[in-house]
Amino acid sequence: NAGVTQTPKFRILKIGQSMTLQCAQDMNHNYMYWYRQDPGMGLKLIYYSVGAGITDKGEVPNGYNVSRSTTEDFPLRLELAAPSQTSVYFCASRQPQDNSPLHFGNGTRLTVT
Amino acid sequence: SQKIEQNSEALNIQEGKTATLTCNYTNYSPAYLQWYRQDPGRGPVFLLLIRENEKEKRKERLKVTFDTTLKQSLFHITASQPADSATYLCALPNDYKLSFGAGTTVTVRA
Repeated sequence: NAGVTQTPKFRILKIGQSMTLQCAQDMNHNYMYWYRQDPGMGLKLIYYSVGAGITDKGEVPNGYNVSRSTTEDFPLRLELAAPSQTSVYFCASRQPQDNSPLHFGNGTRLTVT
Repeated sequence: SQKIEQNSEALNIQEGKTATLTCNYTNYSPAYLQWYRQDPGRGPVFLLLIRENEKEKRKERLKVTFDTTLKQSLFHITASQPADSATYLCALPNDYKLSFGAGTTVTVRA
């Protein structure tokens, strides 16, 4: 029972490089989310999706893009990496019922230098 | 604007004592509130949900209260153990989304 799987676990990027953070869930959850977590700042929502083909911006979407072609996968794309994107990125999913809890992956730690 | 505030300082307590964490919010009218636990290097894990019409909820040594008049939830860890050392996050719903507080780090000394 894998739950939410994120790859890679760690990555170092140079300024201006691009990368895709992968997220896959095997719980058939419609709703998926990307958060970033900076020290002392809590989780900030980047993008979310309520189903395949539907995505929407969260609080801090600038510099990121997402796609949702299947229920299982929700990749996050960084096009031109900047030092401000150094953070830990968490993907999460949940069922569509209103009070259902989030299931998180174990994160990708990204450093941009 | 909407705000969620948790104890800004870390909590350092002796094993066996009760830890009490606060979660205050403004400009929300949540139908429920959730609490999560996060260990270093891991994603948050769901612990408890309390609905707006529930005053108190318990799960083993955890107790949560929810006061919609004060706009506050309290999270208690009773008979604390070193294994309870972690960061605890409260979360409130916002349409399809969940917004999180910054978390409170609890360290339980043996």
